[in-house]
Amino acid sequence: NAGVTQTPKFQVLKTGQSMTLQCAQDMNHNSMYWYRQDPGMGLRLIYYSASEGTTDKGEVPNGYNVSRLNKREFSLRLESAAPSQTSVYFCASSETRGVGSPLHFGNGTRLTVT
Amino acid sequence: DQQVKQNSPSLSVQEGRISILNCDYTNSMFDYFLWYKKYPAEGPTFLISISSIKDKNEDGRFTVFLNKSAKHLSLHIVPSQPGDSAVYFCAASEMNRDDKIIFGKGTRLHILP
Repeated sequence: NAGVTQTPKFQVLKTGQSMTLQCAQDMNHNSMYWYRQDPGMGLRLIYYSASEGTTDKGEVPNGYNVSRLNKREFSLRLESAAPSQTSVYFCASSETRGVGSPLHFGNGTRLTVT
Repeated sequence: DQQVKQNSPSLSVQEGRISILNCDYTNSMFDYFLWYKKYPAEGPTFLISISSIKDKNEDGRFTVFLNKSAKHLSLHIVPSQPGDSAVYFCAASEMNRDDKIIFGKGTRLHILP
């Protein structure tokens, strides 16, 4: 059971470079999410997708774009990376939107922007 | 402004004893609360949840208590085991608001032999 798979696990970028973080889930979940975790901070929502074909901004969307490619895949793109985007990024999915449906997380992508 | 607060960054408990992790929230619109557990280099995993219509939910060694009037919840782990050493995140959400799942900063629990 793969669950939620994120690639890559680690990435180092120079300021201004772009990259896409990939996420795929095999649980047939409808909702998918991107969070970032910074030292001493909780998880903060960047973007989410309540269902295939829809995306919405979360708490900290600036500097990011997302694509819900199909039901399985939800990618996060950094167009022009900045040192403030150094963080650990977690993708998550849930069966349905809203309460009562816990999030299932991937193992994260550790991104460093120099 | 932190809507979900875990005021203890870390906690050490003897193996076999009770671990109590605390969480406070400020938003009275929150009606569902969850605890997640996280090991290093892994993603958080769901542990236990409680809705605002209940004041207690139990699952094996884990019990979550909710005090709505005090806007406080706690996670009890009895008895504590070495594998419980991890970071625990409290999260709160509003019904059908995917953008309103707010996480606390986490409490690192150390189980001492």
